[in-house]
Amino acid sequence: KQEVTQIPAALSVPEGENLVLNCSFTDSAIYNLQWFRQDPGKGLTSLLLIQSSQREQTSGRLNASLDKSSGRSTLYIAASQPGDSATYLCALTSKIIFGSGTRLSIRP
Amino acid sequence: SAVISQKPSRDICQRGTSLTIQCQVDSQVTMMFWYRQQPGQSLTLIATANQGSEATYESGFVIDKFPISRPNLTFSTLTVSNMSPEDSSIYLCSVAGTLYEQYFGPGTRLTVT
Repeated sequence: KQEVTQIPAALSVPEGENLVLNCSFTDSAIYNLQWFRQDPGKGLTSLLLIQSSQREQTSGRLNASLDKSSGRSTLYIAASQPGDSATYLCALTSKIIFGSGTRLSIRP
Repeated sequence: SAVISQKPSRDICQRGTSLTIQCQVDSQVTMMFWYRQQPGQSLTLIATANQGSEATYESGFVIDKFPISRPNLTFSTLTVSNMSPEDSSIYLCSVAGTLYEQYFGPGTRLTVT
């Protein structure tokens, strides 16, 4: 059974820092991996999609990597801003399974 | 990408009643999905709804409790039946793109008293 874990569950950093969020999964047979952000009480906004044949994707200050052999993905956020404060979720598709999320808080 | 809307955005309902949530997509899609997000939790897939066939429910979810309709390629409804306070959650619909990427609606926040 596929399990998806996100560490840490919560993270607070000062503005301007670079940071890494982690997502690990137990079964490497995936179609792709998607990172989302969710603001309190809101729906999900897709940030990046990494197909199973890809190693990384970049969008602005965000960079996501995928290592299927080790069952890991990371989301790198450069020069963090208070507007980045949200819960970040990774999701696998083959069978749609979400990680538990990392609640990120950026301190001004 | 797809633009998805949901109605209602939120509701407060009494125990024992039912609520139907609507999901509208701005383009025709094959696969639509319904999720539940309980307070402080991540998302759990309830069911997959394909047009012209019965919805496929995940373990722990049954059609009697969560009946789903999918009358066409742009619309679906989820009904939460015989509600209890444990059903208080955010309910989200999503659609799959050509690469199976997910696009989400804004969610429906349900509170059952």
